[in-house]
Amino acid sequence: AQKITQTQPGMFVQEKEAVTLDCTYDTSDPSYGLFWYKQPSSGEMIFLIYQGSYDQQNATEGRYSLNFQKARKSANLVISASQLGDSAMYFCAMRRTDKLIFGTGTRLQVFP
Amino acid sequence: DTGVSQNPRHKITKRGQNVTFRCDPISEHNRLYWYRQTLGQGPEFLTYFQNEAQLEKSRLLSDRFSAERPKGSFSTLEIQRTEQGDSAMYLCASTSGSSFGELFFGEGSRLTVL
Repeated sequence: AQKITQTQPGMFVQEKEAVTLDCTYDTSDPSYGLFWYKQPSSGEMIFLIYQGSYDQQNATEGRYSLNFQKARKSANLVISASQLGDSAMYFCAMRRTDKLIFGTGTRLQVFP
Repeated sequence: DTGVSQNPRHKITKRGQNVTFRCDPISEHNRLYWYRQTLGQGPEFLTYFQNEAQLEKSRLLSDRFSAERPKGSFSTLEIQRTEQGDSAMYLCASTSGSSFGELFFGEGSRLTVL
């Protein structure tokens, strides 16, 4: 069965520091996609970054990068130079047929 | 605003009442999804439409739940005879089905059943 696991319920990071949010996945499909979303207190899920299973390079989008280790089935999100506005819930997700399945999320708190 | 719009944002109802949520997707998107999110959990898939056709329903979608997308534009999610366990955030998302399939979410409709 396809599954996403996020083992960190909460993380703290000081402003301007980098932080890594962990995500592991389980699938037997050779082709899959991995996503990270941010959910601030307003509730809207905001797409951050995508990694395809056949992509040779790790995805990057501004301050976000995805550390994709296929053999370990991990897709960790790295946020560089954290900002106070990065405080939110972060969800890892995997595409399963035509829908996304989500992990339980990690709450990130950035302090000054 | 050209994002996904959901109404109402908040709904408080008594157990046993019916509630309906509406979702207006991004106009050119042909796929529309409904998810449910309870406290401390990630979003859970409920159902999705391609145009007006409902292509998949989760086992979470009991017979008290019904979703429609009559003209392939907006969608409604109705919950009949609400129960306290229905209290959750109901998220709507849309996508064009192209690119790598990222979903664009609305801000959600929070349901509280007393």
